[in-house]
Amino acid sequence: DAKTTQPPSMDCAEGRAANLPCNHSTISGNEYVYWYRQIHSQGPQYIIHGLKNNETNEMASLIITEDRKSSTLILPHATLRDTAVYYCIVRASGTYKYIFGTGTRLKVLA
Amino acid sequence: GAVVSQHPSWVICKSGTSVKIECRSLDFQATTMFWYRQFPKQSLMLMATSNEGSKATYEQGVEKDKFLINHASLTLSTLTVTSAHPEDSSFYICSARLGRDQPQHFGDGTRLSIL
Repeated sequence: DAKTTQPPSMDCAEGRAANLPCNHSTISGNEYVYWYRQIHSQGPQYIIHGLKNNETNEMASLIITEDRKSSTLILPHATLRDTAVYYCIVRASGTYKYIFGTGTRLKVLA
Repeated sequence: GAVVSQHPSWVICKSGTSVKIECRSLDFQATTMFWYRQFPKQSLMLMATSNEGSKATYEQGVEKDKFLINHASLTLSTLTVTSAHPEDSSFYICSARLGRDQPQHFGDGTRLSIL
């Protein structure tokens, strides 16, 4: 099954860009990469997803490497409210199931 | 955007009680919903896949007689924790997907505390 690896924690200064990496070296050719974040005691919030091209929406940008083995989520101007656990997810092979890894705990510092 | 509503937000009850949690897709139809459990400081763990009109598919190690799932309509799935005990205390979260490669959208979760 596709698996993702993320650093356990990161700090970012308020107002600066937060770049969160994810390794998904076993991803299959037609699987998307999905990013979510979870603020304490809430359900995960969808951020962005992509297949092979870079994507941008009102929340973030997603950069996927050409070989699709890794991606980076970019929060262009981090705020204190962006402090959360960020999950990079690839579906289990041949299913619609999400397998959550341990995520990256991002702390935005004032 | 797509919204998933989960109810109740929290529940406290005595050991031996059965507890029902509802998950609704508010502005879309969901043939498939998912149920997760999350313990403190841990990641989400998939419990089961809820399929409209058919039996749920449980992950390995999840007792289907303990966690009853019903998906009677395209907008509602329920999880019933039967004869709950303190070790069932956890944060339960549901999700629904809009379509094939579309992202799942999650409810706000239900915090269950069994005394």
